[in-house]
Amino acid sequence: ILNVEQSPQSLHVQEGDSTNFTCSFPSSNFYALHWYRWETAKSPEALFVMTLNGDEKKKGRISATLNTKEGYSYLYIKGSQPEDSATYLCAFRRAAGNKLTFGGGTRVLVKP
Amino acid sequence: NAGVTQTPKFRILKIGQSMTLQCAQDMNHNYMYWYRQDPGMGLKLIYYSVGAGITDKGEVPNGYNVSRSTTEDFPLRLELAAPSQTSVYFCASSYSTSGLSSYNEQFFGPGTRLTVL
Repeated sequence: ILNVEQSPQSLHVQEGDSTNFTCSFPSSNFYALHWYRWETAKSPEALFVMTLNGDEKKKGRISATLNTKEGYSYLYIKGSQPEDSATYLCAFRRAAGNKLTFGGGTRVLVKP
Repeated sequence: NAGVTQTPKFRILKIGQSMTLQCAQDMNHNYMYWYRQDPGMGLKLIYYSVGAGITDKGEVPNGYNVSRSTTEDFPLRLELAAPSQTSVYFCASSYSTSGLSSYNEQFFGPGTRLTVL
């Protein structure tokens, strides 16, 4: 059983503030780490796929970093806006397999 | 392209009833997946398929069955519904080619909310 954990489970952010949260995953047999954004009443949408240690990805005000040696990834939201309110899921993919193991998600609520 | 579609959107079942959740994709993806989402638990893989005629169990397969007779369709069958199967079910698909780097971004359907009473 693969352990993929996200923390915190939820956080409230004031509009305009920046925030970050963590995904931890097994450091062995790493192949890829996915981040998904999941808005209420919608389906998850892919944000990033990260594959190399030290990877940094950016999409607008959202960015992510990856440390495969220690098994963690951070997702950052700069200058949070109400439309950033969503659950952010990370998913670990091990080598030699196409299945993703998802973390429990971090639910972000941005307050105006 | 419609992407990944799921029907129905909502369903209430009585204990012991059976039903099939439909999933279809029009992106010619070879991989398809069924997940269930329980509060605070993220997504758990029920079954997946690597192509027509091939299916395999995920983390939580008990109480479910699948089939994949075509590339496009991947129905999920509940034979004897139990309250523990109350959940939101998501179907997803992805494209993967052997021998090439493929990072397997998954595309999700809108979900089916199932309640078993």
